[in-house]
Amino acid sequence: GIQVEQSPPDLILQEGANSTLRCNFSDSVNNLQWFHQNPWGQLINLFYIPSGTKQNGRLSATTVATERYSLLYISSSQTTDSGVYFCAVGEASGTYKYIFGTGTRLKVLA
Amino acid sequence: DVKVTQSSRYLVKRTGEKVFLECVQDMDHENMFWYRQDPGLGLRLIYFSYDVKMKEKGDIPEGYSVSREKKERFSLILESASTNQTSMYLCASSLNRPNPEYYEQYFGPGTRLTVT
Repeated sequence: GIQVEQSPPDLILQEGANSTLRCNFSDSVNNLQWFHQNPWGQLINLFYIPSGTKQNGRLSATTVATERYSLLYISSSQTTDSGVYFCAVGEASGTYKYIFGTGTRLKVLA
Repeated sequence: DVKVTQSSRYLVKRTGEKVFLECVQDMDHENMFWYRQDPGLGLRLIYFSYDVKMKEKGDIPEGYSVSREKKERFSLILESASTNQTSMYLCASSLNRPNPEYYEQYFGPGTRLTVT
């Protein structure tokens, strides 16, 4: 099955810094989502982005499906950005199941 | 906004007990999913359902069963709870339409289950 790798596994930033999180996947996909899991465990949808670029405030994401990777950019980070960021992909065969990466744990220091 | 709710945030059960975890969504989604999340292993799919009374096994179905009698409700059942089922359980839902962008998944708040 498809493999999803996220990097880096852990990241510590000072408030106000920028960061880039990466998601590599091993095969063609037709779905890709980025989630933020807050300290209480809730998974929050950030982007649905199987291809192209999207922006939402300080966050933006780019997926280059032909090269099998996606990037999540966080600018001017805040302490509330702390948590775990997950990438999840759905295979191009058409299933609506997702395969999750193991996440990037981000800590933003005040 | 899509809302997915789960019956409990925290649950403590004893080994051998039958455990029911319930999930309800209010957006008329066809697909519903149960995942478990463990440190270092990410989210793993237990079961999913694409219609009422329909279910399919995910990656780790052993020790679990599910029930979907109504479109908005999807239950996860631990027939005889064991300590290795201590975990965070997350429910999700999505539409099921021909256009893939409808497959965006929305998650509930999770249930932290401890089996002693």
